Amino acid sequence: GAVVSQHPSWVICKSGTSVKIECRSLDFQATTMFWYRQFPKQSLMLMATSNEGSKATYEQGVEKDKFLINHASLTLSTLTVTSAHPEDSSFYICSAMEPNANIQYFGAGTRLSVL
Amino acid sequence: RKEVEQDPGPFNVPEGATVAFNCTYSNSASQSFFWYRQDCRKEPKLLMSVYSSGNEDGRFTAQLNRASQYISLLIRDSKLSDSATYLCVANSNSGYALNFGKGTSLLVTP
Repeated sequence: GAVVSQHPSWVICKSGTSVKIECRSLDFQATTMFWYRQFPKQSLMLMATSNEGSKATYEQGVEKDKFLINHASLTLSTLTVTSAHPEDSSFYICSAMEPNANIQYFGAGTRLSVL
Repeated sequence: RKEVEQDPGPFNVPEGATVAFNCTYSNSASQSFFWYRQDCRKEPKLLMSVYSSGNEDGRFTAQLNRASQYISLLIRDSKLSDSATYLCVANSNSGYALNFGKGTSLLVTP
């Protein structure tokens, strides 16, 4: 079946540093990928839609200059959390849309802890 | 108001029991509906899509009522391994992006 790889799975960093998270579709090409965030005991919240070859579409309340998204190829989208602060600590999950299947496959998630 | 609402539970049931989860969605333009399963500290995994005609996959049955904007999931003959959080999901206005409910927690006990 379709597989989405997300890396790293766990990051601990100091406040003020930037963290890059990669999301790869391994056996299909994904023109659209999504980035979600999940705080403890909360639902997944869509942060942005990543479109290959064009700018990402951000949800209301998500700062595009803080959460930089690059979808440079049909199999890779990256999310960079710039100048991370403790309130950015969360579980970040990407998903990729399999073409013609209308099904999203999720990466294993990245647990970010900012000290 | 959240776009997808579901009872958070927890539902504690014995092995072999039948359990039903309900969910409502507020966006009448939503066209695609799913149930996902999420284990603790893991990513969501697709359990099944939900169709207007209702659909069944083994012990799992999903129903959709568009008129009342209501989705359900029925699990028969519960197994210990069914213990997880079940997420009700509807697509958003922007098409493929998904709106997730907060999840319903199920614990199946011996």
